[in-house]
Order: sequence, then structure tokens, then C-alpha cells
Amino acid sequence: GAVVSQHPSRVICKSGTSVKIECRSLDFQATTMFWYRQFPKKSLMLMATSNEGSKATYEQGVEKDKFLINHASLTLSTLTVTSAHPEDSSFYICSAAPTREEQYFGPGTRLTVL
Amino acid sequence: EDKVVQSPLSLVVHEGDTVTLNCSYEVTNFRSLLWYKQEKKAPTFLFMLTSSGIEKKSGRLSSILDKKELFSILNITATQTGDSAIYLCAVFTSGTYKYIFGTGTRLKVLA
Repeated sequence: GAVVSQHPSRVICKSGTSVKIECRSLDFQATTMFWYRQFPKKSLMLMATSNEGSKATYEQGVEKDKFLINHASLTLSTLTVTSAHPEDSSFYICSAAPTREEQYFGPGTRLTVL
Repeated sequence: EDKVVQSPLSLVVHEGDTVTLNCSYEVTNFRSLLWYKQEKKAPTFLFMLTSSGIEKKSGRLSSILDKKELFSILNITATQTGDSAIYLCAVFTSGTYKYIFGTGTRLKVLA
């Protein structure tokens, strides 16, 4: 149980394009999903908290217009990196929380912007 | 500002050695501390600790929390090459209801 999927697992795109990453909880409902970013050899940095049916809460320093988050249902949240640039290249990981204190991580999406 | 710090940042040992990884924290509204293992992809859950002094064990791994001194340790005995990974510590805080991750410890176990 408690499986979270992310799609795509890897994406390469040109600078200026937008990329959408999906996060799904496969066997449970998650009122809250989290989006993290991880740079090479660094820890996870929380970008935003996504609550179903309401606007996401972004961490300080994260541009909400750059990283659009939509939590359309209890099993799906999407992160769209708009007008991607090479500095957006990173490993993006989502997690889904069936309760406030449990988090289950997706396998991550490696984004490379050329 | 809430902070979680892990030490050492990296560690190289030989198979069979025992290692101790440290995690210290300064947060408001502490709820729980979690340990994760990260290999090539996303972190996998190891332990969740909420009470001081109660050791949690899973095979060769064990962990304990000290809420007075604000730290936790993760022990791995008889290490194997498959233990090579980044070990992440995270603290969950009430109020904001989010996880704060530490810097991670990169462990490499040599055959």
C-alpha cells in the first residue's frame, strides 16, 4: 500500500518551454501533497504544499508564477514549470500525505533544461 | 528559523563496520522525527520517532530520539554494500504541518 507515482520520470526540454509533472497517489487519498526540489548532493528543499481544492502554499523564495501547482483531486497534483531555464534543471520529488504526519514519496522526476 | 543538521556529511566505511549517524534539530512545535534512506530515486521511510528514549529497531538498523538534547541517532550494525545511500533526517512540526529535512549523510560501504 501507500504507492505514489510521478510522471514523467525524466524529461529534457528546450529553454522557454513549459513542463508538467504529475503526482498521483495510487491506493489512498491525499488531501495534502508536497513538492520538493533536490539539487545534486543536497537535501530535499520544500517548494510548496498543495491542498486539494485550494491554492498551494509556497515556501519563501519560490516563485508561484514560475512553478504552478494544481491539486485537482484527492489523488492528483501537478507541478508545471513555466518558461523553463537551465537553472530549473533539478530533481523534483512529490509526496502525498493521507494523514498530516505521514508522507509517501514519489520516485521523482529529473528535469534537464537545455 | 527551524533547522535540522546532520553529521557527518559523508562517511566511508568497510563492510561489517558499525556506523552512527547524527541528527540535531532546533524547531518550534516539534511533533516527530523521521529517518529516510535515499538511493538513486526518492527517499524510502525507515523510522518515525516521537518519544524520547524509546529505541526503534528494524534488522540491523536502530534509532533513538532525545527530546531534551534535541537530537536523534541512526545506528547501522554489520554494514553491507547495500547500505550505501544518503540518509535523511526530517522533523515534522505542528503549526505549519510540514517536514524540514536535514542536509543528509552520504554513506559509502566498501566491500
